[in-house]
Amino acid sequence: EAGVAQSPRYKIIEKRQSVAFWCNPISGHATLYWYQQILGQGPKLLIQFQNNGVVDDSQLPKDRFSAERLKGVDSTLKIQPAKLEDSAVYLCASSLERGANYEQYFGPGTRLTVT
Amino acid sequence: GEDVEQSLFLSVREGDSSVINCTYTDSSSTYLYWYKQEPGAGLQLLTYIFSNMDMKQDQRLTVLLNKKDKHLSLRIADTQTGDSAIYFCAESPLSGTYKYIFGTGTRLKVLA
Repeated sequence: EAGVAQSPRYKIIEKRQSVAFWCNPISGHATLYWYQQILGQGPKLLIQFQNNGVVDDSQLPKDRFSAERLKGVDSTLKIQPAKLEDSAVYLCASSLERGANYEQYFGPGTRLTVT
Repeated sequence: GEDVEQSLFLSVREGDSSVINCTYTDSSSTYLYWYKQEPGAGLQLLTYIFSNMDMKQDQRLTVLLNKKDKHLSLRIADTQTGDSAIYFCAESPLSGTYKYIFGTGTRLKVLA
């Protein structure tokens, strides 16, 4: 079974530029998550999708971050414009369904550096 | 608040036991998890415990849960150099969205 795929693996941009990350979850997984992991911290949930609908985006900075999962499969996360404090690893995860008893599988992440 | 706390570093000798501690915040959390993160990799689920359990053993891993104190620990027996990684505990409060709240992570270094 293929795991969660993310691209690119690394991205360096200047502040005020835009960037987009892509995630392809495990086939058949209805729930998709985007996490932000700042160096030295644990992952923090940005947004959670159930199929193509948003379940929780309470911690997404909506003035600059956006995400979509139009066909309920792969997803993109966009930052526009980027700030220095957005430097982090962006992790995508998926689970078969919503629920605490469903394991979340994580991709390798995209490391973003904003200069 | 939503801070799940862990100590930052732990260093042990190969063959010794490692104990990583975590204090979580929400007594409604029904599942508590331990994840492992190796350099440049995503998080890998190691084990989890259901909140009505006090202990769970899985090969070299033992999880202890003290619900009264909201304290979770992970014991790794016979620690190997391959166990060197960052370990995160996570809770999943009954908030309706089943989101995970991760701790700050404990960096385990195993000395040969």
